Amino acid sequence: NAGVTQTPKFQVLKTGQSMTLQCAQDMNHNSMYWYRQDPGMGLRLIYYSASEGTTDKGEVPNGYNVSRLNKREFSLRLESAAPSQTSVYFCASSEDYGYTFGSGTRLTVV
Amino acid sequence: GNSVTQMEGPVTLSEEAFLTINCTYTATGYPSLFWYVQYPGEGLQLLLKATKADDKGSNKGFEATYRKETTSFHLEKGSVQVSDSAVYFCALPANQAGTALIFGKGTTLSVSS
Repeated sequence: NAGVTQTPKFQVLKTGQSMTLQCAQDMNHNSMYWYRQDPGMGLRLIYYSASEGTTDKGEVPNGYNVSRLNKREFSLRLESAAPSQTSVYFCASSEDYGYTFGSGTRLTVV
Repeated sequence: GNSVTQMEGPVTLSEEAFLTINCTYTATGYPSLFWYVQYPGEGLQLLLKATKADDKGSNKGFEATYRKETTSFHLEKGSVQVSDSAVYFCALPANQAGTALIFGKGTTLSVSS
């Protein structure tokens, strides 16, 4: 029972580089989310997808794009990474409010 | 939209001490309320929830009561253990539509033996 799988677990980027964080869930959940976690800031919602084919901005969407590829997969793309995007990124999925989180991607932008 | 405020940490306790972590919220209507826990190096896990006023959520010895009069959902445990050391997050829906949650900033609990 994998739950929510995020890849990669760690990544170092140079300023201006692009990358895509991958997330997949095997629980047949309709809703998926991307959060970032920063010290003293808690978790902040970047984007979410209430169902396949829909995406919506959260609290801090600037500098990010998302794709809900199918019901299982929800990717987060950084087109031009900035040091302010250094963070731990969590993907989650849910049916109603029962969230299952992935183990996170620790991203450092230098 | 809705918002949530929880007490700043860190909270440092000895084993078997009583724990309270305060959480207050502002919201439209009466949304469900949640406590999530994050152990080192892991994602968040649902600890407990309450879906309506005066409900008490409970799990693993932790309890929280939905108080609409004081718009609060404080987390309590009568006797903490070293294994309870983690970061605790209070959460509620961002708004009345959809299932996106917003989280408090988190309270770090450290329990020593």
